[in-house]
Amino acid sequence: DVKVTQSSRYLVKRTGEKVFLECVQDMDHENMFWYRQDPGLGLRLIYFSYDVKMKEKGDIPEGYSVSREKKERFSLILESASTNQTSMYLCASSSPGAHEQYFGPGTRLTVT
Amino acid sequence: AQSVTQLDSQVPVFEEAPVELRCNYSSSVSVYLFWYVQYPNQGLQLLLKYLSGSTLVKGINGFEAEFNKSQTSFHLRKPSVHISDTAEYFCAVRAKNTGFQKLVFGTGTRLLVSP
Repeated sequence: DVKVTQSSRYLVKRTGEKVFLECVQDMDHENMFWYRQDPGLGLRLIYFSYDVKMKEKGDIPEGYSVSREKKERFSLILESASTNQTSMYLCASSSPGAHEQYFGPGTRLTVT
Repeated sequence: AQSVTQLDSQVPVFEEAPVELRCNYSSSVSVYLFWYVQYPNQGLQLLLKYLSGSTLVKGINGFEAEFNKSQTSFHLRKPSVHISDTAEYFCAVRAKNTGFQKLVFGTGTRLLVSP
């Protein structure tokens, strides 16, 4: 079974803190994604990566950065967390040419 | 660019009743279409997909969807729902003939099944 794991299910941080959200997949997938899920807005793509050290901005990259040093790991970084970044963050992975993205369980981040 | 509209934010239904969750999309190019389901406190999982061919596609857990190109719709149906179908359902599209798998999601429909 494909497994996508995220380092934390729940996280509480203070405004201004640097926050790291980690995602690991075990299926040797080239593509990895970070989404943000908010009520009434659905899922919105923050960043994606199609190879190690490669990254592309999604629809809402402002306030975020990413890192992909190894194929299996894709990190989302909030350089200086703000309250409007309180949200559910979902990581996903897929292989090129496949049509399914596999999602992790999500990290619910609260910034106070 | 693509966009997806799920008109119903919430659909309450009784157990064993039929249900339809509506999805309309907009795109200037041909698209692939998907339905994902999110059970409480879980990530999303693929329910079904339309890539080409027959416009009626069957998915897991007894769900099916019909692609209607003229109406740009991809409605999800199940003839008889169970309590365990309570979840949030997301419609998504992806442009064909693009080098990358960017999905555009709708805002989701919460299906509430009661006894």
